[in-house]
Amino acid sequence: GAGVSQSPRYKVAKRGQDVALRCDPISGHVSLFWYQQALGQGPEFLTYFQNEAQLDKSGLPSDRFFAERPEGSVSTLKIQRTQQEDSAVYLCASIPQGAGEKLFFGSGTQLSVL
Amino acid sequence: AQSVTQPDIHITVSEGASLELRCNYSYGATPYLFWYVQSPGQGLQLLLKYFSGDTLVQGIKGFEAEFKRSQSSFNLRKPSVHWSDAAEYFCAVGATDSWGKLQFGAGTQVVVTP
Repeated sequence: GAGVSQSPRYKVAKRGQDVALRCDPISGHVSLFWYQQALGQGPEFLTYFQNEAQLDKSGLPSDRFFAERPEGSVSTLKIQRTQQEDSAVYLCASIPQGAGEKLFFGSGTQLSVL
Repeated sequence: AQSVTQPDIHITVSEGASLELRCNYSYGATPYLFWYVQSPGQGLQLLLKYFSGDTLVQGIKGFEAEFKRSQSSFNLRKPSVHWSDAAEYFCAVGATDSWGKLQFGAGTQVVVTP
């Protein structure tokens, strides 16, 4: 596709439920990032992949958060046993090979945990 | 540790008037600096970036920003705002060895009045 695609656009979960958020980066983009944006805040870094390798997961808030990118393209962010504080917009971004010094962001998945 | 401060949470400006958004950063070396804009339901769009060289940076949509090392600032300006500039603006800093891992400010909401 023309841009970074994220699905679902909206997700409502009951507390304790597991959720999976999907990111389709721009074809050929090597690096992929996940960010979490709480209401009224700037995005915060969660994790980073280069191809299928997860090189940095220092921003994941707890061991309930898990991300994967098994074939170096599509990525999934999974949150187990969701809590109300997990409610946020989850943004995915990608960078092509050779960088170009520009992150291409998706529109995000808005997660609401009730 | 790097950090970004956007002192103004909310700014109201008349259409046609000038706009300046403030950004201060904390970083041990010369950082990579960015301004992004986010409209409702949209992904983050890069307005401009500073990596090195000329401290006055031109971006898209008529925006510019000036890097001032002595003041640790990277303020965004536009001489004449249009109603379509109403959005949330984020300043971000990236480490030179991992610039895609960005630290964002909390954002400034810009409202444009007729």
